[in-house]
Amino acid sequence: GESVGLHLPTLSVQEGDNSIINCAYSNSASDYFIWYKQESGKGPQFIIDIRSNMDKRQGQRVTVLLNKTVKHLSLQIAATQPGDSAVYFCAENMAGGKLIFGQGTELSVKP
Amino acid sequence: NAGVTQTPKFQVLKTGQSMTLQCAQDMNHNSMYWYRQDPGMGLRLIYYSASEGTTDKGEVPNGYNVSRLNKREFSLRLESAAPSQTSVYFCASSEGPFNYGYTFGSGTRLTVV
Repeated sequence: GESVGLHLPTLSVQEGDNSIINCAYSNSASDYFIWYKQESGKGPQFIIDIRSNMDKRQGQRVTVLLNKTVKHLSLQIAATQPGDSAVYFCAENMAGGKLIFGQGTELSVKP
Repeated sequence: NAGVTQTPKFQVLKTGQSMTLQCAQDMNHNSMYWYRQDPGMGLRLIYYSASEGTTDKGEVPNGYNVSRLNKREFSLRLESAAPSQTSVYFCASSEGPFNYGYTFGSGTRLTVV
């Protein structure tokens, strides 16, 4: 069946280091992917998206990489800051269908 | 702009009671969604409205009904609450169905006892 999953449920990094959060998806028909950040007690916040015709997209301190061959998505955060501590979700949009969210990875940034 | 506003923020219901969760957006978005989030899990789509006048079931629609009152408002109703519906409920909106970044509300924390 279709699913979106994350390799690591928790990730702890030192302030200033780079963070990499991974996501696997199983539906090769998915054509749009989004990363969200959710801080405690708040709703998810859009970070960055990527369409299936791209391999890489960069934002401010964040980069999303898409490897369609192995159905893998990653979010890279450069120079991680304490304010980056949150749960990060990937989501996939199956063509013409629903937006499916992954389980989430909790990122903890140590000062 | 307020973005997506959900009311109430917290609610406790007894099993069998009914209630309606309200959601309104002021971004002139066409599509609106209701998700639930349970501990350790991602968000699961309950119902969505791709455009004003249309609603469709998501992954977990059982026990819920929705109404797209107008372009701004999309409500979620629990007719007979069950403990399994204890969750945090998020409303979201987007310019179009599924292919645009969503804007989420701050959530309604519902407990059914």
